[in-house]
Amino acid sequence: GAVVSQHPSRVICKSGTSVKIECRSLDFQATTMFWYRQFPKQSLMLMATSNEGSKATYEQGVEKDKFLINHASLTLSTLTVTSAHPEDSSFYICSARDQQGYYGYTFGSGTRLTVV
Amino acid sequence: AQSVTQPDIHITVSEGASLELRCNYSYGATPYLFWYVQSPGQGLQLLLKYFSGDTLVQGIKGFEAEFKRSQSSFNLRKPSVHWSDAAEYFCAVGPNSGNTPLVFGKGTRLSVIA
Repeated sequence: GAVVSQHPSRVICKSGTSVKIECRSLDFQATTMFWYRQFPKQSLMLMATSNEGSKATYEQGVEKDKFLINHASLTLSTLTVTSAHPEDSSFYICSARDQQGYYGYTFGSGTRLTVV
Repeated sequence: AQSVTQPDIHITVSEGASLELRCNYSYGATPYLFWYVQSPGQGLQLLLKYFSGDTLVQGIKGFEAEFKRSQSSFNLRKPSVHWSDAAEYFCAVGPNSGNTPLVFGKGTRLSVIA
């Protein structure tokens, strides 16, 4: 079945630094990647949608200069949290989709970001 | 507007008892329906999905769900719950192709007691 590998699973960084999260589709071409944020005991909140080779589309209220998304290849998308602050601490999850939808929506295992 | 409603925030069942988690959706086109399970600190695992065909769908871990178009529902069931089923369950709806993201319900937390 389809697999999306997300790294790192956990990261602790100092306030003001940047953190990069990677999502790789291992056995299919991820034409679209979705990035979600999840607060404790809440549902997933869509942050942005990225199509390979195009600029990401951000949801209302999501700062595109803080959450930089790159989807330069059909197998890799990255989310960079720039100048991180404690309020950016959260669980981030990616989801990949192929063009035909054959593999449905495949989720990564998530990244727990803690900013200290 | 597209939406998913999971009416139950938290459900507690005894181990061995049956389970039904409710999900109602509102979607403009033919829906592609999903149930995911999430353990604490983990990503989402697909339990089952439905797009067309038999309205009773079998999934992993002994789960099944029934699509009822007339009720706009896609309830998840399991005849006998195990302690390891304790987790958060999310119902979601989306298109069968393209780049539209899934719409998630708020989730139902399942607790299992001895």
